[in-house]
Amino acid sequence: AQSVTQLDSQVPVFEEAPVELRCNYSSSVSVYLFWYVQYPNQGLQLLLKYLSGSTLVKGINGFEAEFNKSQTSFHLRKPSVHISDTAEYFCAVSSSSNTGKLIFGQGTTLQVKP
Amino acid sequence: GAGVSQSPSNKVTEKGKDVELRCDPISGHTALYWYRQRLGQGLEFLIYFQGNSAPDKSGLPSDRFSAERTGESVSTLTIQRTQQEDSAVYLCASSPVGQGLAEQFFGPGTRLTVL
Repeated sequence: AQSVTQLDSQVPVFEEAPVELRCNYSSSVSVYLFWYVQYPNQGLQLLLKYLSGSTLVKGINGFEAEFNKSQTSFHLRKPSVHISDTAEYFCAVSSSSNTGKLIFGQGTTLQVKP
Repeated sequence: GAGVSQSPSNKVTEKGKDVELRCDPISGHTALYWYRQRLGQGLEFLIYFQGNSAPDKSGLPSDRFSAERTGESVSTLTIQRTQQEDSAVYLCASSPVGQGLAEQFFGPGTRLTVL
């Protein structure tokens, strides 16, 4: 079975500060990893994904994430956040052995303050 | 270039009533997923359709929940004899293929409130 843990339910940060949203996963098979973002009153949108290859992946809006297999982590980072980054962020995992169904973490609310 | 659409956007119903939620996937997407998002929680997988293959129903929480999809088109999720714990946002997603590496495109969701 697979599971995802997002270690912080809320992350308050000031504008232009760096941020890291933490994600750990558990799986007995190889995984694909995703970060989705949900802006207020909008649907989920893919930020970035790790499928294979380079462990540092870059996504939209200046976000990046690093896959660490030994620590089973996939933390999301941005060097300088904007007010518009305020949203709910979800880490998710799937595998090549299933149908593509995503297992999601509980979500992290990023609150960017002026 | 329409995305995934869902209807209704909001549904308020009384305990014990049946409800039907609809999802229109992106044209050409063979895979379709239903998820549930309870307040303050992550998304839970409910059911998966891939073309004409048998659906993966492993996430349905009880036999009150069922879903159908005709070919590669519209899907409906039906909840019979609704309970208050069914209150949640129900999200539909579609994907070009039903594989772990494929991006899923999400609809805006249907917010279900059971009184």
